[in-house]
Amino acid sequence: ILNVEQSPQSLHVQEGDSTNFTCSFPSSNFYALHWYRWETAKSPEALFVMTLNGDEKKKGRISATLNTKEGYSYLYIKGSQPEDSATYLCAFARYSGNTPLVFGKGTRLSVIA
Amino acid sequence: KAGVTQTPRYLIKTRGQQVTLSCSPISGHRSVSWYQQTPGQGLQFLFEYFSETQRNKGNFPGRFSGRQFSNSRSEMNVSTLELGDSALYLCASSGTSGGGTDTQYFGPGTRLTVL
Repeated sequence: ILNVEQSPQSLHVQEGDSTNFTCSFPSSNFYALHWYRWETAKSPEALFVMTLNGDEKKKGRISATLNTKEGYSYLYIKGSQPEDSATYLCAFARYSGNTPLVFGKGTRLSVIA
Repeated sequence: KAGVTQTPRYLIKTRGQQVTLSCSPISGHRSVSWYQQTPGQGLQFLFEYFSETQRNKGNFPGRFSGRQFSNSRSEMNVSTLELGDSALYLCASSGTSGGGTDTQYFGPGTRLTVL
C-alpha cells in the first residue's frame, strides 16, 4: 500500500507570515508529484506538477521543491494572506504514469488577518 | 472552456438503496477518475475510465461501479448503500492518459448522505 504523508495536519498563521509544509512519498518508482489547493466550497485546483529531482516551481507567492531521492516535497507560501486559507493536497504518481494518483490527507492552512 | 460538472450536487438516500452520480468532463478530455472523500481521510481513488474502458480500480467493494460513455461522460453507481458510504464524491478529468504528469481538473463534487 502506498503511503503519502503530509505534515502538519493543520496550521494557523498570522497574515504576513511565511509558512511551509511537507509531503512525504515513496522514493522508489517515482514518476510525478502534484500539489493541489482546495478552498472550502470549491473544487481542488492544481498548483504544480513536478517530475525532476531538485525541481523548483513557483506561482506568485507559492513555491515548491522536490527531492525524489529521499521522497519529499516542500510547499512554501511567502507572506501568507487570508485568501491562502485552504487545504493543500499533494498526490504521488508512480511508474510510467498510467496508474492512479495517490493523495495525502492534506494540510489545512488558516491565515488569520 | 466549461469546467467539470457533477450532478446532483447533494443527495440523501437511505440504507439499502442505490444511487447513480454523473460527471461531465471538460470538452476533449478522455480520462475521468472518481474519488471518495470522508472526514479525516484523503481522497480515496475509486476508478478511472479512459475511452470507455476502466483502466484502474481502487480498493472498494463491488457495490461501487462505473462506466463511461462515448462522449466521455461518466457515471458511478453505488448499490445497497451503507451508512459508511456517506461522503463527498469527486470526479476529475484529464486530457490524455490520466495520472502521471497530467493535471486533473476536479468537479465540485456530489455530497451523498446515507441515512
